[in-house]
Amino acid sequence: DAGVTQSPTHLIKTRGQQVTLRCSPKSGHDTVSWYQQALGQGPQFIFQYYEEEERQRGNFPDRFSGHQFPNYSSELNVNALLLGDSALYLCASSLTTLGANVLTFGAGSRLTVL
Amino acid sequence: AQSVTQLGSHVSVSEGALVLLRCNYSSSVPPYLFWYVQYPNQGLQLLLKYTTGATLVKGINGFEAEFKKSETSFHLTKPSAHMSDAAEYFCAYRSGGSYIPTFGRGTSLIVHP
Repeated sequence: DAGVTQSPTHLIKTRGQQVTLRCSPKSGHDTVSWYQQALGQGPQFIFQYYEEEERQRGNFPDRFSGHQFPNYSSELNVNALLLGDSALYLCASSLTTLGANVLTFGAGSRLTVL
Repeated sequence: AQSVTQLGSHVSVSEGALVLLRCNYSSSVPPYLFWYVQYPNQGLQLLLKYTTGATLVKGINGFEAEFKKSETSFHLTKPSAHMSDAAEYFCAYRSGGSYIPTFGRGTSLIVHP
């Protein structure tokens, strides 16, 4: 049973460019969350998608946008890249419930902005 | 607003010694609490979770944590450290009315031979 898969694993962009990161959730999961993890920091919540809608959003600017597809996979888009966007971007999937559902994380996409 | 505080950005122990990683949360509502581990160049992996019931929770790799409501704490312990335990550990909190866990800043566990 495949877990959460993310692509690409590494990428390098320059300031002002745009990037798209992709995530396939664990089989059976219907909810996808995206986190940004800067070096030496904990994961910071960007947004969560459920039923192809953004259900909740963290404190990130509109340059960060996303999408969820009917097969539950998801994309994270970042426009007008800044040096400060350099980070590990983690996708986590779960089965939506207000119980103690557990996030299953992918290995991440490491973005470097030059 | 809920928050999670992990005391100590780095903890260093000798192999075979007790591991204690501290986590405190601030919230007035009953919590779900989690510990995750992150090895280099990998995503986060769940070690253990507290939902309701027994306050002492056992996880994988010999780790356990105790929920203490009066202290708003959820410290992670392991009786005997192994070299393979060297990693980054994250405590996370989620209230029952939220879908989104809040993560602490992490504690790097260093294990010396």
